[in-house]
Amino acid sequence: ETGVTQTPRHLVMGMTNKKSLKCEQHLGHNAMYWYKQSAKKPLELMFVYSLEERVENNSVPSRFSPECPNSSHLFLHLHTLQPEDSALYLCASSPTGNYGYTFGSGTRLTVV
Amino acid sequence: AQSVAQPEDQVNVAEGNPLTVKCTYSVSGNPYLFWYVQYPNRGLQFLLKYITGDNLVKGSYGFEAEFNKSQTSFHLKKPSALVSDSALYFCAVRDTNYGQNFVFGPGTRLSVLP
Repeated sequence: ETGVTQTPRHLVMGMTNKKSLKCEQHLGHNAMYWYKQSAKKPLELMFVYSLEERVENNSVPSRFSPECPNSSHLFLHLHTLQPEDSALYLCASSPTGNYGYTFGSGTRLTVV
Repeated sequence: AQSVAQPEDQVNVAEGNPLTVKCTYSVSGNPYLFWYVQYPNRGLQFLLKYITGDNLVKGSYGFEAEFNKSQTSFHLKKPSALVSDSALYFCAVRDTNYGQNFVFGPGTRLSVLP
């Protein structure tokens, strides 16, 4: 375990469903990130939270809605997704400085 | 803006042979460079980083990387490959002149053949 825990590990949802992905870290990091990893595409940075404030939103469709209630928890709320949203969603956290990211194991999302 | 290139989608090497996974970058300031590895259905795991200091950086599992400023490269190397090294490898860079976030390369799949 890396210290960053993502749940669920796998999720299958219909296009009309509403679901949430959860990320939790107890490493004392103060920044958290959502990445999307699709087959044969580079990692896409979706959202960045620093000290619980969203500091970056890379033109992500509104059907993805992040929430960071405290420095240890990060959610990604999903609604009315499309099949092309099927991917591995990775959460990461980092301290300030140049220490790099610690990643969770990801949630494999399939939209049917 | 910062960018990272990994020119090889796939690298194949025989077990016991040396391996190299290439990475080149572009930044306007000084680079912070990282290598990560990803095993199937897992997140990315940190291997090593270059921030400053010696150009040759040693990391986890016997991997090392050499920072070459003139060639803007940060190639990952290992003297003797293991079958268990087979995975997806990502190079990442942060430009000190451009925010706090890292940019990841597209990844290189390494296959070590027994």
